Amino acid sequence: AQSVTQLGSHVSVSEGALVLLRCNYSSSVPPYLFWYVQYPNQGLQLLLKYTSAATLVKGINGFEAEFKKSETSFHLTKPSAHMSDAAEYFCAVSDAQVGNEKLTFGTGTRLTIIP
Amino acid sequence: DAGVIQSPRHEVTEMGQEVTLRCKPISGHDYLFWYRQTMMRGLELLIYFNNNVPIDDSGMPEDRFSAKMPNASFSTLKIQPSEPRDSAVYFCASSLYRVGGGYTFGSGTRLTVV
Repeated sequence: AQSVTQLGSHVSVSEGALVLLRCNYSSSVPPYLFWYVQYPNQGLQLLLKYTSAATLVKGINGFEAEFKKSETSFHLTKPSAHMSDAAEYFCAVSDAQVGNEKLTFGTGTRLTIIP
Repeated sequence: DAGVIQSPRHEVTEMGQEVTLRCKPISGHDYLFWYRQTMMRGLELLIYFNNNVPIDDSGMPEDRFSAKMPNASFSTLKIQPSEPRDSAVYFCASSLYRVGGGYTFGSGTRLTVV
């Protein structure tokens, strides 16, 4: 079975500082990996995805993530945090198999930005 | 495109009552998912459909929960009878068949059972 583990349920960074949200995956087959963001009282929005092309993936709002097979990781980063980045972030994994659209989500990381 | 549309946004009901949540997926999407989000359990997949056919309902917690997708543009999630522990935010999401495409989520229905 596939799964993701998000390290740190809460992360606080100062405005302008580096954002690093950690995600490790477990999958018996090559995975597809995703990061979603959830703002208060809203649904989840896709930030970026890895689908076996380039290992460094760029997403919306200046976020990027790097797929590292050797470390089974897909950490999310942003060089300079903005107040508007405060939200909850979810890592998710699916099997890279035709016809399998099922995503398994992590437990989420709440990002707080300190002015 | 209007995105995935869920209704109602908020629902407060008394224990024992029937609750029906509704979802309109993005036109042309062939997968539809129902998730439940709580503080304690995070995001849980309840059921998903492909071309209106239920594929995996192993996440449906009890027989009190049922879901239907009578056509490509509409799905319902019904709880009968409702219990306080069903209080959660219920999300609907849809996707187009392409491996690794990701989902588009609706804004959710916040259900409170008192």
